[in-house]
Amino acid sequence: DIQMTQSPSTLSASVGDRVTITCRASQSISSWLAWYQQKPGKAPKLLIYKASNLQSGVPSRFSGSGSGTEFTLTISSLQSDDFATYYCQQYNTFSSFGQGTKLEIK
Amino acid sequence: QVQLQESGPGLVKPSQTLSLTCTVSGGSISSDGYYWSWIRQHPGKGLEWIGYIYDTGSIYYNPSLKSRVIISVDTSENQFFLRMTSVTAADTAVYYCARAMGWFDPWGQGTLVTVSS
Repeated sequence: DIQMTQSPSTLSASVGDRVTITCRASQSISSWLAWYQQKPGKAPKLLIYKASNLQSGVPSRFSGSGSGTEFTLTISSLQSDDFATYYCQQYNTFSSFGQGTKLEIK
Repeated sequence: QVQLQESGPGLVKPSQTLSLTCTVSGGSISSDGYYWSWIRQHPGKGLEWIGYIYDTGSIYYNPSLKSRVIISVDTSENQFFLRMTSVTAADTAVYYCARAMGWFDPWGQGTLVTVSS
């Protein structure tokens, strides 16, 4: 099984901040990684696929990078709508998710 | 655009079988290249991939659940299904269906299944 580890588990930030969330895979997954945003009571929403490809309709302040075992999701300037929980997902071998990063208002 | 909707009992007794249906609208479940997937989320916890079925009928399961899970599809009804046997309280979760091309998109709204006597 491929284990995905996100850091930090919780992140406190303010509107306008630049934030970065890291996701590490237990083995190389090439660029087979996606990022999701989830708000309470809602299904996850796809933000990024294949490590750095922005899903249609997702604001350009979201970006993804990385390959192999280390990946990052960056939000360039936090908006109030961005406070949510973020998950990474590998799809190199079947599928598995990171444990999530909760982005809170400071 | 494609939409997915889960349906099924919200309460299942321990040791019984959980059965859910995902109805796909706005597109054909027989479309090339897509996997039709089930994912769950325990209350207040992260996401767990359960398995998916390919339009050719190939099926892949999470090894940790494989012995208790069956995923099937009815292309004539544009639906796919999840059956999970011998459920316990640990199977209480929100169950999502989703379309996959590796990544999952779109998702259904999710349905809470509680395992309790």
